[in-house]
Amino acid sequence: EVQLVESGGGLVQPGGSLRLSCSASGFTFNTYAVSWVRQTPGKGLEWVSGISASGGTYYPDSVKGRFTISRDNSKNTLSLQMNSLRAEDTAVYYCAKELAAVGNPYFDCWGQGTLVTVSS
Amino acid sequence: EVVLTQSPATLSLSPGERATLSCRASESVSTYLAWYQQKPGQAPRLLIYDASNRATGIPARFSGSGSGTDFTLTISSLEPEDFAVYYCQQRRNRVTFGPGTKVAIK
Repeated sequence: EVQLVESGGGLVQPGGSLRLSCSASGFTFNTYAVSWVRQTPGKGLEWVSGISASGGTYYPDSVKGRFTISRDNSKNTLSLQMNSLRAEDTAVYYCAKELAAVGNPYFDCWGQGTLVTVSS
Repeated sequence: EVVLTQSPATLSLSPGERATLSCRASESVSTYLAWYQQKPGQAPRLLIYDASNRATGIPARFSGSGSGTDFTLTISSLEPEDFAVYYCQQRRNRVTFGPGTKVAIK
């Protein structure tokens, strides 16, 4: 069974940093691209970063320069380092498996999500 | 950025009825469009990708159509478990999602 399990969410002050992790199992992790997608009641679903099977990274302008996605294929783990956090980064963060190794960001498996709250 | 607009915001129907959901893109996305279903407290579930291809394990009552800027998700006969929120997503230019359509029980 394909499974993604996120961890690392929590409460952080504006300007602070947080690192999210996602542990993958049930599929050949190093042959698929994976992404982080966040969700808020107000802004809905927002893609925040993606990484190809070979390690190429992709970001929307809203987080470029603040967020860094990485993967450790030896540990089947995806990470998201979030710096300079803002109140508007408050959301549930999902890791999501893509349909292919690169260039096909449709998400066919999602984790259960981890809540990040940015507040003083 | 490609902006996706979904209509209606809420669709109130009874089990057994046909549901027709619309997604419109601010520019052409060719057929690079997907549909997801989300139930309360759960992550989204991929239903359709590339406008008309059903994802693995998705029942045949779900179908997608369209190209360019106008897309439709059709649920031919609503089952009780189909009442949920549905999102469209494009991958033509980065990744963006629509705001969702809630299919509610009438």
